[in-house]
Amino acid sequence: DAGITQSPRHKVTETGTPVTLRCHQTENHRYMYWYRQDPGHGLRLIHYSYGVKDTDKGEVSDGYSVSRSKTEDFLLTLESATSSQTSVYFCAISAVGTVNTEAFFGQGTRLTVV
Amino acid sequence: EDQVTQSPEALRLQEGESSSLNCSYTVSGLRGLFWYRQDPGKGPEFLFTLYSAGEEKEKERLKATLTKKESFLHITAPKPEDSATYLCAVQDSWGKFQFGAGTQVVVTP
Repeated sequence: DAGITQSPRHKVTETGTPVTLRCHQTENHRYMYWYRQDPGHGLRLIHYSYGVKDTDKGEVSDGYSVSRSKTEDFLLTLESATSSQTSVYFCAISAVGTVNTEAFFGQGTRLTVV
Repeated sequence: EDQVTQSPEALRLQEGESSSLNCSYTVSGLRGLFWYRQDPGKGPEFLFTLYSAGEEKEKERLKATLTKKESFLHITAPKPEDSATYLCAVQDSWGKFQFGAGTQVVVTP
């Protein structure tokens, strides 16, 4: 299994509170991604990173920010959580620019905003 | 805008009953088309990468094919352990992955 660890695995938080999810990789892959998965919508890209301090928005980036200060860590922050952000969040990594560019996923974080 | 559409949404098969899943796509600068398997409560698990039209990949009872506009995942003589949601994704020239909504496959004994 690819070395990807997401933390926490489960979290319940209150509306309006800040929340940070962490993704840690041991593969030294250049690209990292945050997706959310909701019934009927599949996996939707929130933000992605193509290097340290290099990030860009995905299709559902409103209300989310990211940071990548080291190759191995990619943080997703909900500045002020809302009920619409209740979801399962997946981190993924990819060795874009090499022969094998498939994405490998973490086990997910189930976030509930009450 | 990149788009990936999977059909059918759900598929119920008898053990041994072969079938195919479809993934149609539009993408600017296709780097690759990917198939994943996802079990409940888990992250997607990588199955195949296809890079060019005409390419085929096989793994056990699964075979993936690619044309210029769509990909098929053929399941031959499925077993109950093949029950899962199968996801298709394309990677664009920026390195981003666009996923389809998936096909939920249930194989009954």
